[in-house]
Amino acid sequence: RKEVEQDPGPFNVPEGATVAFNCTYSNSASQSFFWYRQDCRKEPKLLMSVYSSGNEDGRFTAQLNRASQYISLLIRDSKLSDSATYLCVVSNDYKLSFGAGTTVTVRA
Amino acid sequence: GAGVSQSPRYKVAKRGQDVALRCDPISGHVSLFWYQQALGQGPEFLTYFQNEAQLDKSGLPSDRFFAERPEGSVSTLKIQRTQQEDSAVYLCASSSLFGPGLENTGELFFGEGSRLTVL
Repeated sequence: RKEVEQDPGPFNVPEGATVAFNCTYSNSASQSFFWYRQDCRKEPKLLMSVYSSGNEDGRFTAQLNRASQYISLLIRDSKLSDSATYLCVVSNDYKLSFGAGTTVTVRA
Repeated sequence: GAGVSQSPRYKVAKRGQDVALRCDPISGHVSLFWYQQALGQGPEFLTYFQNEAQLDKSGLPSDRFFAERPEGSVSTLKIQRTQQEDSAVYLCASSSLFGPGLENTGELFFGEGSRLTVL
């Protein structure tokens, strides 16, 4: 079983829509969680950290459910520029483990 | 530039050839990682250096894979006797942090990767 599992999508949404997706992780001892963004044929970049209390960064909201071992990302008022693959990341000590990514395509 | 630089960006190798992939991390970054990303997959951990010390090589798929960072800056990933299953993008990432600082921030700076195709 992979350490981080994600629905690959794709999620095709119109501009202005809200889109949300989850990932699950297998190691209950994991302490830190993140979302990375990867544009097509580009390198991954840190989007945001995920805190137990939930956190927002502009149009992006991340939630962590430790009991169920899942992490979510919600994007409000989607923009064309939000089209990308979103990678769920779990950190254990120095090692970041990545999910396979969820692809989001925002259409005009 | 000031980012992580990798070379070559593209490499085509015949099966059985040896290849060497280079990574220039951000200056002064202590931590350096190599990841392998197959098509449609997320990056998979290969190895981790803290300065010149290779602290973890548990992700290297076989003994054909070898990584070094002799002076604690530039790193090279070498693949001997390449096989078709080695075809992937090899990503290098660096961070100024290590240990709990790295775990808590999760911020790695990735290079654009070296795309290896083995024929």
